[in-house]
Amino acid sequence: DIVMTQSPLSLPVTPGESASISCRSSQSLLYSNGNNYLDWYVQKAGQSPQLLIYLGSNRASGVPDRFSGSGSGTDFTLKVSRVEAEDVGVYYCMQALQTPATFGQGTKLEIK
Amino acid sequence: EVQLVESGGAVVRPGESLRLSCAASGFTFDDFGMGWVRQGPGKGLEWVSGINWNGVRTAYADSVKGRFTISRDNAKNSLYLQMNSLRAEDTALYFCASVREGTTGTSDYWGQGTLVTVSS
Repeated sequence: DIVMTQSPLSLPVTPGESASISCRSSQSLLYSNGNNYLDWYVQKAGQSPQLLIYLGSNRASGVPDRFSGSGSGTDFTLKVSRVEAEDVGVYYCMQALQTPATFGQGTKLEIK
Repeated sequence: EVQLVESGGAVVRPGESLRLSCAASGFTFDDFGMGWVRQGPGKGLEWVSGINWNGVRTAYADSVKGRFTISRDNAKNSLYLQMNSLRAEDTALYFCASVREGTTGTSDYWGQGTLVTVSS
């Protein structure tokens, strides 16, 4: 199975500042079609996960442009610019290249 | 409005069975694969199983292979998870989710989850 490793696991951020989360995979997620099969989800307290970024860098419908995904192969980053209070939650990366899909451990973003 | 509504969660004893259901609405159900993801108490997300759009292909996590069976009824816009030989470690909130491609892929839509507790 592909192992997904996120860092940091806890991320205190001052409102208005930027935050970055790293996600590394044990195997390349770059497929022959040029797509990186890496998604980002956020789970807010008491809610189900919601899709933020798909195929490494594509924002899902309705996601603010403060959220951006980058990276290729085995190293990916989620950046949240101008963090707001509503961004608090646990962020997960997930690889969708191989079965079973696997998630990172989750990164808890909190407001300082 | 897209809705995925899970049901069937319960408190059961080890070794017992349970069948989860997920009713979909607001999108073209048979355009998507579907899957189940679970979250143990205070834990992260764990992919459990997936099924492609027409039910021909299925996939399972090793932890549930041979015990769980995923299925779907496109005429009823419904997804199911038959869970047999339940163990304490299966205790979790089970989410159903859409899957863009095949049995494993991007999940645009998620339900609110149904709670399964396995305890003696």
